[in-house]
Formats: sequence, structure tokens, C-alpha cells
Amino acid sequence: KQEVTQIPAALSVPEGENLVLNCSFTDSAIYNLQWFRQDPGKGLTSLLLIQSSQREQTSGRLNASLDKSSGRSTLYIAASQPGDSATYLCATAGAGGTSYGKLTFGQGTILTVHP
Amino acid sequence: NAGVTQTPKFRILKIGQSMTLQCTQDMNHNYMYWYRQDPGMGLKLIYYSVGAGITDKGEVPNGYNVSRSTTEDFPLRLELAAPSQTSVYFCASGSLSYNSPLHFGNGTRLTVT
Repeated sequence: KQEVTQIPAALSVPEGENLVLNCSFTDSAIYNLQWFRQDPGKGLTSLLLIQSSQREQTSGRLNASLDKSSGRSTLYIAASQPGDSATYLCATAGAGGTSYGKLTFGQGTILTVHP
Repeated sequence: NAGVTQTPKFRILKIGQSMTLQCTQDMNHNYMYWYRQDPGMGLKLIYYSVGAGITDKGEVPNGYNVSRSTTEDFPLRLELAAPSQTSVYFCASGSLSYNSPLHFGNGTRLTVT
């Protein structure tokens, strides 16, 4: 059974800092890994998707890396802004047997960026 | 492009009542999912479907039923609602094709009293 863990559970930083959010998973048989953002009371918005054959993806100030062999992904946010405050979740899509297509989420990291 | 549409947005049920949460997508995605999110917690998979006519249980299926008669629709049925089913329910769809992210609906906030 896939288990996805995110560290830290919460993070508070001053504006302008570069920061790293961590995601680890127990089963390396994944199709892809996705990072999402969730604002309070809202749905989830996809930020970055990394296929299992890729090492990283970038979008603007966001960079996500994937090390499938060690079961780890990191989301790097450069020059953080108050508007980045949200909950960030990672999810893996299973690639093996009965887990194919099954998406497993971590608990999320609550990020607060203060001015 | 509507994406993933969930109805209703809010609902209050009495214990023992039943209801269906509707989810429809217009992106021709094969994969559809139902998650629940309790306050301060992550998302737990209830049921998912890899195509019309095919459904499978997730992590927390008890008390729920689903059907997938068309590619577009994936309704979630709650029978005999219980207070433990108070949660926010999210429907999502995806294709698992290269570089195709998962799309989420805006959620249904359900309270069972």
C-alpha cells in the first residue's frame, strides 16, 4: 500500500525567502507525481506534474524534483510571496498492477508567508 | 470549458437519510476519483474508476457506492448517512497520459446531523 508523507506539516516564513517542501513515498512503482495547491475552502489546483521518467519540472518560481529510487520529491519555491500562502499537497499515481491509476495524497504542508 | 462540475455545493442531511453527490467532466477523461477531506487532514480516496463500467474501492469505501455508466459522470451515493460522513467531498478526473494533470471539482460540503 502506497504511503505518502509530507514534511513539514506547517511552515511560516518571511516574504522573499526561498523554501523547500518535502514529499516521500513508500512504493516507487509510480506513473507520475503531482504537486497541488489548495486555498482555504477551495478545491485543488495542479501546480506541477513529474512523470516517473523525469527528474524535475519548472513553472515560474516553482521547481519540483523527483528521485524515484529514494522515494522522494521536493517542491522548491523561490522568492516567496504572501500570495503563496496555501496548503501544498503531493500525490502519486500508482503504476503497478491493482494500483494502476490510484492516486494517493500526502497530508499537506500549510505554508504561511508573512510580509 | 467547464472541467469538473460537482453538485450540490452544500448539503445538510439528517442521520439515516440518503443522497447522491453528482460529478461530471467534459474532458473525456477515463480516470475519475472521489475523495473526502476532513478538517486539517489530507485527502482520502473513497472510490475510483478507470473507465466506464469499471470501479474500484479506495481507502475508505464503507458507507458509499458509485457507478460509472458513462465516461462523463461518476456519482457518489451515500446510504444511511452517519455523522462520521460529515466532510468535504472532492471529485477529480484525469487521463494519466503524458503531462496531463488531475483536475478537481470545487467540492461538496456535507454535514450530517
